[in-house]
Amino acid sequence: GENVEQHPSTLSVQEGDSAVIKCTYSDSASNYFPWYKQELGKRPQLIIDIRSNVGEKKDQRIAVTLNKTAKHFSLHITETQPEDSAVYFCAATRGAAGNKLTFGGGTRVLVKP
Amino acid sequence: DTEVTQTPKHLVMGMTNKKSLKCEQHMGHRAMYWYKQKAKKPPELMFVYSYEKLSINESVPSRFSPECPNSSLLNLHLHALQPEDSALYLCASSQAGQGVRGYTFGSGTRLTVV
Repeated sequence: GENVEQHPSTLSVQEGDSAVIKCTYSDSASNYFPWYKQELGKRPQLIIDIRSNVGEKKDQRIAVTLNKTAKHFSLHITETQPEDSAVYFCAATRGAAGNKLTFGGGTRVLVKP
Repeated sequence: DTEVTQTPKHLVMGMTNKKSLKCEQHMGHRAMYWYKQKAKKPPELMFVYSYEKLSINESVPSRFSPECPNSSLLNLHLHALQPEDSALYLCASSQAGQGVRGYTFGSGTRLTVV
């Protein structure tokens, strides 16, 4: 089955700096890679996603890159703000019937004012 | 409506109790999921329903029994749980079949087994 590794497990950045989280996956058939943000005590919320036919996607201060050959994808947050503090999860799936998402272990991001 | 609604939000139950968690969505999603999340861990898949049929059971103990009465509702029946089953139980939904989009998660039920 799919295995997703996520690094780092914790990340502390100064407000205004950039944050980068990296994930690797094992199943070359995986073709959809979402990122979720989970604030303390709340639900995971989809913040950005990317499909295997795209190398990069950007939405305001958030961007995701995908390297299919190396089987890794990354989340980039620029101009970080205190409200970006949360746990971030990457995930991967083949997108077939059943749609099983395999999550990475999570990255706890702390943005210091 | 773009939400997944879960009830109750909190539940405390004894090891001999029977209780049910409920999940509802009206987005026309035909895939629904139960996930279990322990503190500081990622969500772990328990069950997947696709077109109201159970398509994945991740070797979940029989004390957890899922049910999908219709395309909008998903239940999780609980019986004879153990303290280690205490966790946040998340329901999610998505489009089914090829070309999956991201899940929409509910707010979860925080379950405590005493």
